[in-house]
Parts: sequence; C-alpha cells; structure tokens
Amino acid sequence: DQQVKQNSPSLSVQEGRISILNCDYTNSMFDYFLWYKKYPAEGPTFLISISSIKDKNEDGRFTVFLNKSAKHLSLHIVPSQPGDSAVYFCAATGAGGTSYGKLTFGQGTILTVHP
Amino acid sequence: KAGVTQTPRYLIKTRGQQVTLSCSPISGHRSVSWYQQTPGQGLQFLFEYFSETQRNKGNFPGRFSGRQFSNSRSEMNVSTLELGDSALYLCASSSKVGGVNTEAFFGQGTRLTVV
Repeated sequence: DQQVKQNSPSLSVQEGRISILNCDYTNSMFDYFLWYKKYPAEGPTFLISISSIKDKNEDGRFTVFLNKSAKHLSLHIVPSQPGDSAVYFCAATGAGGTSYGKLTFGQGTILTVHP
Repeated sequence: KAGVTQTPRYLIKTRGQQVTLSCSPISGHRSVSWYQQTPGQGLQFLFEYFSETQRNKGNFPGRFSGRQFSNSRSEMNVSTLELGDSALYLCASSSKVGGVNTEAFFGQGTRLTVV
C-alpha cells in the first residue's frame, strides 16, 4: 500500500532548463508535504514544504505546487544546475496520533542535470 | 547549530548478533524519528520518540526497539540480526510540538551490513 508515489524513477535535464518532479498521494489525511534531496550514503536534506491550505510555495529556485483535488504535487527547479543532480524524495504527513513524527516517503526520482 | 549526529557511520555485524545505533538531535529538538532505507523498500518509518515516550511506531517486528533519554538523545536497537536488516538507518529530529511533524532534519545515517 504505497500512499505516496513518484512514478518517474529518473529524469534527465539540460543545465539551465526547468526540472519538474512529480508526486501523487492517496491518503486524504495528509495535510503537509515536503521535498527532500538525497545523495548516496547521506541523510536527506530538506528542500521545501507546503501546507494543504496553500497551492504554491517558493524558495529561490525551488517551487512546489499542490493540487489537492488531484492529490498531486510537483517540484519545479529553475534554472537547473549540475549540483542539483541527486535523488529527490517527496514526503507527506498528517495530523493526529498515527502521524506523530512520521513522514511517508515516495520511492524517489533520480535527477541528472547535464552541463 | 550542530546538525543531527548519528554514530557509528558504518557497522558490520554477524547474523544473530544485536546492534545499538545512536542519534543526537539538533539542540532544542525533542522529537526524534528513525527510518530504514533499503533499495527495495525505500525509506520506511520505524518509530518516533518525544520526551522519552514512544508516540508512534511503524510496521516492523519487535526485534526493532528504541528509547530516548532526558537530553533527547535516542538509541535504536536491533536484536537477532538478519541479513535483510542490512540498510541505511536514518535518524531525524524536529522542533515541532504536537501531532504534526513539519520540517524534519536528518542525520548522515548509519550503514549497517549484516553478514
């Protein structure tokens, strides 16, 4: 029962162009969503988050869009840089006891940005 | 501010042994969560501790246990190790109080290899 899905295992983009990473979720109790970037053998690094009361959040080159009716969110990176090459994880959490400290992660998308 | 510190970084253990991993959260963070990352299952939630109490638990066997000390440092223990326990174990800390965990900050992880 995968409640958070990242259907694209990999994405390849040219430097300077836009990278769009997608994420779908099934649990309607999720109300907070996060994106993390991860390098091999290291812990995930927090990038950006969005609450379900918003549909967009920006932080520098990173923008996250949330479509609650479609249970879909996306991360846009503009412009993409070679240093952005990593695995990107979408994660979700909700309110209530069963969500204490628990992030539900997607399977990740490997982003490769070519110079 | 120092980040989340996990020790040791690498461990090799034999089947049947037990292992203890340690996590020191960011100063002031009272919530500590543990995750297991494997190639097949991705990032899976193990448990969460807040003020020395386990508030949430993932779907793992009883061989996986943890505890939290009064200074918020946490340990997790795996007994009777199996080959399938080989994974990257990640600890995350958060400053949020209450049911919703927002930005969780991860440590570098402990790479456990069971032979």
